[in-house]
Order: sequence, then structure tokens, then C-alpha cells
Amino acid sequence: EPEVTQTPSHQVTQMGQEVILRCVPISNHLYFYWYRQILGQKVEFLVSFYNNEISEKSEIFDDQFSVERPDGSNFTLKIRSTKLEDSAMYFCASSLDREMWETQYFGPGTRLLVL
Amino acid sequence: EDKVVQSPLSLVVHEGDTVTLNCSYEVTNFRSLLWYKQEKKAPTFLFMLTSSGIEKKSGRLSSILDKKELFSILNITATQTGDSAIYLCAVESNTGNQFYFGTGTSLTVIP
Repeated sequence: EPEVTQTPSHQVTQMGQEVILRCVPISNHLYFYWYRQILGQKVEFLVSFYNNEISEKSEIFDDQFSVERPDGSNFTLKIRSTKLEDSAMYFCASSLDREMWETQYFGPGTRLLVL
Repeated sequence: EDKVVQSPLSLVVHEGDTVTLNCSYEVTNFRSLLWYKQEKKAPTFLFMLTSSGIEKKSGRLSSILDKKELFSILNITATQTGDSAIYLCAVESNTGNQFYFGTGTSLTVIP
């Protein structure tokens, strides 16, 4: 069964460093999403992406965050200058087509720890 | 402010019991409500509900939406230890691809 993959599974970084989290969505999916879940807290929507541009973003997704689909298969989330509070599990998800009410399929997540 | 509230926060039952998990929401321009099961890491999809009163069923799990009263329930009958997980409710807003998650209900099924 096709699945969303994410790399790395864990990343430890120093505060102020840039990190790039990578996701490979399911190949024929058109909509891509990033979520985060701070330990012990709820899943939070960050951003959605369609047709090579951001379609919606939350208040969390400030100028420190960016997304891109550099090569037609990877979907990346970049945090330019990490803060301690960016420590969380980051989930990527993809869906085939919103208009067809397709569900989102989540990747296994990247656990980011900012020291 | 849009929000999704789940109850109870946690639940411990014995195998074979039936449980009902609740999700109420206040979201502008409701589009759909989704239930997920989160075991160790990523949530896995259970149901998507868009219309009131139509029950969705998958094995021992079922769910229904009430768009007038703004809530949904997830029922699990004849619970098994493998049902132990956090059950997440999420509501999609029609204003873009914005999803609002509840904090989840932690279900523990003991033998």
C-alpha cells in the first residue's frame, strides 16, 4: 500500500540553526500538508500546499517557516532559525484531491529537538 | 476562535466494553469532520463525515455527525486491547485547507 515517508525520523539541532524536514507524499497525490505536535499537546495545522504554492497557513507558520516541492517528489519544510519551542513531532500528510473528499494520509513524523 | 473539544480526555475500559467518544466543534464554514486513531506516531484515518445523521461504520467502529448541534460521536463496540490509542477528532474549515484538531481522547483497554 502506498505510504507517505518522512526523513529523518529524528533530528537534534542547536537553537538558531536551520533545519529541513523532508517528506515524500504518495505519488499521485496533489495536496500536501504539514502539521506539528508538541509533546503532550494536540496536533496543529501548519500549512497546506497545492499546485506549487501555499493554499492555506496557520498563525504558527510565520516567516521562519517555508515549504517547497523542489523536484516533483519531495515536499520540504524549512525552519530558518530554530527556537526551543519548535521542538515537536512534525507530520507530513498528502491527499489525492480535496474536491473528491479524499482523506489525508500521514507520514510517520520527524521528531525535532532544539537544544 | 475556532475550536474542537473532545471528551472525555481519557478513558479506561475492560475488553468487551462499548465506548463512546465525543467531539464538539465551533468552526467557521464547516466542511468535514474526521476521526483519527493515533497509536505511537502518526494518526491513521478512521472516518470522514460531511452530512448529518448518516452513520459511517467500519467493523466495530462507527461514527455519526450532528451538524445542528455541532458534534460527532465515535463508538467502539466489543473493545479489544488493540483499540488502545488516542482518538483524534479534526474539523476542516471551508476557508482553505485549514484543519483544527482536538486534544484527543486517550483510550486504554485492559484485558
